[in-house]
Amino acid sequence: GAVVSQHPSRVICKSGTSVKIECRSLDFQATTMFWYRQFPKQSLMLMATSNEGSKATYEQGVEKDKFLINHASLTLSTLTVTSAHPEDSSFYICSAQGGQRGFGTDTQYFGPGTRLTVL
Amino acid sequence: DAKTTQPNSMESNEEEPVHLPCNHSTISGTDYIHWYRQLPSQGPEYVIHGLTSNVNNRMASLAIAEDRKSSTLILHRATLRDAAVYYCILRAPGGYKLSFGAGTTVTVRA
Repeated sequence: GAVVSQHPSRVICKSGTSVKIECRSLDFQATTMFWYRQFPKQSLMLMATSNEGSKATYEQGVEKDKFLINHASLTLSTLTVTSAHPEDSSFYICSAQGGQRGFGTDTQYFGPGTRLTVL
Repeated sequence: DAKTTQPNSMESNEEEPVHLPCNHSTISGTDYIHWYRQLPSQGPEYVIHGLTSNVNNRMASLAIAEDRKSSTLILHRATLRDAAVYYCILRAPGGYKLSFGAGTTVTVRA
């Protein structure tokens, strides 16, 4: 099946620093990539959707200047958490979707997640 | 998006079948029913999806009620590796977002 990787799997940083998380589709071209956040004991919350070569679309309440998303190619999207603070500590998960846009049967393939801890 | 309702948790014994119900009484005629699962500390994993007919794959079966207001994910023989949170999600054609609810936490006893 389709494989999506994330790097790093775990990161610990000091408050005020920026952290970049990479999401790659390894064996297919991802027309659309998604970024989710999951706090402990909670479900996944969609943060933003990005299409290759376009600006990301952010969900309501997600600060686009704080969570910078770049989808420069059909196999790579990056999420940069700028000036991270302890409340940004969370499990960040990306997913990628290929195939023809706009069809309900398209499957999203998820990465393994990145655990961010901000001290 | 139409909403789904799932039980918070279910327990099963190893090698026994597990039937996970999902209610979606406000489903529209063109919504697909998707199931994903999330193992501890991992990203979600696609399980199965369907529209009207029952579906089978190597992981599970999906039984869809005739009126499509409910569906059941069937794990035929649960293993310890099936312990996860299972999410039932509706997805409209042309829509690409997945809205995750609380899901059902499945525990498998050895």
